[in-house]
Amino acid sequence: NAGVMQNPRHLVRRRGQEARLRCSPMKGHSHVYWYRQLPEEGLKFMVYLQKENIIDESGMPKERFSAEFPKEGPSILRIQQVVRGDSAAYFCASSREAISNQPQHFGDGTRLSIL
Amino acid sequence: DQQVKQNSPSLSVQEGRISILNCDYTNSMFDYFLWYKKYPAEGPTFLISISSIKDKNEDGRFTVFLNKSAKHLSLHIVPSQPGDSAVYFCAASSGSARQLTFGSGTQLTVLP
Repeated sequence: NAGVMQNPRHLVRRRGQEARLRCSPMKGHSHVYWYRQLPEEGLKFMVYLQKENIIDESGMPKERFSAEFPKEGPSILRIQQVVRGDSAAYFCASSREAISNQPQHFGDGTRLSIL
Repeated sequence: DQQVKQNSPSLSVQEGRISILNCDYTNSMFDYFLWYKKYPAEGPTFLISISSIKDKNEDGRFTVFLNKSAKHLSLHIVPSQPGDSAVYFCAASSGSARQLTFGSGTQLTVLP
């Protein structure tokens, strides 16, 4: 399967714990984007990364959230000290280039539930 | 402030007829528009896109129309098939900011 791979598909955490969401982009794609979808809403941009660099994190909360895309391995979205409001579906997308005619391709998401 | 709006949360169409999904935007800096289809428990799947320098793009049963003066785009699916039943999201991007701004989606149901 050459698509965007996200794991885990479902993640349950208690308030105050940490959540780590992983994303492996499509083969040949070096641009990764994270989006969050709350119930009954569209996807909201969080952060855009290239290998080892954060390009745009304007949609990511300043506290508790961080993202990385190391030289080797998947991109990681990390949420520290989770709260109930973090419950959502988190989608990762990738593209070959960051230009208009290169659409972003999405993974199947991680559904995060906070108890 | 919603920059991309899909005002119809749902749409039902008979199999074989045309489905028309609409999308409005407010940001005149958007220069690229996309439609994605999403099934439950899956990620959005790219369908079709259009650059702001065009007013129409066609791919098989799917056609996207862009009216820049009205800041409006639409997706036409003809003929509609039951497998087209899904949530359709309109998305837009601008310039060097490659982040996508999504609408809230329209649930399309194609009745057999």
